[in-house]
Amino acid sequence: DAKTTQPPSMDCAEGRAANLPCNHSTISGNEYVYWYRQIHSQGPQYIIHGLKNNETNEMASLIITEDRKSSTLILPHATLRDTAVYYCTVINFGNEKLTFGTGTRLTIIP
Amino acid sequence: EAGVVQSPRYKIIEKKQPVAFWCNPISGHNTLYWYRQNLGQGPELLIRYENEEAVDDSQLPKDRFSAERLKGVDSTLKIQPAELGDSAVYLCASSFFSANTGELFFGEGSRLTVL
Repeated sequence: DAKTTQPPSMDCAEGRAANLPCNHSTISGNEYVYWYRQIHSQGPQYIIHGLKNNETNEMASLIITEDRKSSTLILPHATLRDTAVYYCTVINFGNEKLTFGTGTRLTIIP
Repeated sequence: EAGVVQSPRYKIIEKKQPVAFWCNPISGHNTLYWYRQNLGQGPELLIRYENEEAVDDSQLPKDRFSAERLKGVDSTLKIQPAELGDSAVYLCASSFFSANTGELFFGEGSRLTVL
């Protein structure tokens, strides 16, 4: 069963902020939201995760709604190297089973 | 610091032939994963090891797939015999389970083509 829903594709102009949405309406209280991305011909790469507070690191920001049913990954100044498939997933540490959906294919336009 | 190392990067075989993939995780990582990724899909978990014990192999097709992680370090994934539908990228990942984090480190994958 898919636990997250993402748009299949998005475009963003180079230098602009890329905002990638994710719905996880059935998330439980002890599940974290994780984001990974996969650049062509490479393995997935961890980006960021959060439980209920907004998070920021050197790669991106994660905004989680108050009801935790959706989140947005923000790449503040997108570059061509950010072109990739972005996966949103939820994980319960007791289970440790990280599952991926089909993700969002983000294309950065020069 | 070396990341997760996988070999071979590419393998082309005929159906019914055997094939094996090797993975060396990041030093100190006690949890190792094998995922399979079909074209246009996200990775799907095949098996997860904690040290040398397979703690989740529910998605591993046990009639033709086998895996081992001797000494709790590197691991091999074998398919025998291979079928056309096994064409995919096989990804290995590792993590430090005790850190209670879902951050996995992936290798570049082994792309299998079965003819």
